[in-house]
Amino acid sequence: EPEVTQTPSHQVTQMGQEVILRCVPISNHLYFYWYRQILGQKVEFLVSFYNNEISEKSEIFDDQFSVERPDGSNFTLKIRSTKLEDSAMYFCASSEAIEQYFGPGTRLTVT
Amino acid sequence: QKEVEQNSGPLSVPEGAIASLNCTYSDRVSQSFFWYRQYSGKSPELIMSIYSNGDKEDGRFTAQLNKASQYVSLLIRDSQPSDSATYLCAVILSGSARQLTFGSGTQLTVLP
Repeated sequence: EPEVTQTPSHQVTQMGQEVILRCVPISNHLYFYWYRQILGQKVEFLVSFYNNEISEKSEIFDDQFSVERPDGSNFTLKIRSTKLEDSAMYFCASSEAIEQYFGPGTRLTVT
Repeated sequence: QKEVEQNSGPLSVPEGAIASLNCTYSDRVSQSFFWYRQYSGKSPELIMSIYSNGDKEDGRFTAQLNKASQYVSLLIRDSQPSDSATYLCAVILSGSARQLTFGSGTQLTVLP
């Protein structure tokens, strides 16, 4: 069964550093998403992406964040200058239409 | 404030019983509703989607939607210890094309 994959599974970085989280969506899906979940809190929407552009973004997704589909398979989330409060699980999801399927997540720890 | 509310639990049921999980949402125009299961330390896994009033059954799972009451529920029949997880209600609220707004989840424990 096709699934969303994410790398790395765990990323540790120092405050102020740039990180890139990578995702490979399900191959025939057209819509891609990033969500995050701070430990013990709700899953929160960050951004959705369709046809090589951002279609929706939340207030969390400020100028420090960017997304890119650099080739036909990868979808990336970049955080330019990480803050302590960016520590969270970051989930990539994809959908063919409405139903979204999540990847296993990347645990980001900012020290 | 558009929100999705769930009882945080924990909810404990004996093995073989029916587990009932509830979710309310504030936006009466919402059209798309989802239940996800999340095991500790893992990602959300889609269990059910429901778009129309009434019941939708898939194996041991039944989703129920009442748009007039702004209420969606998930029933798990013949609960198994492997069903022990946090169940997340997610809604696509009006004004959004596909953004999922999640509740805080209900932690379910099925006791052997």
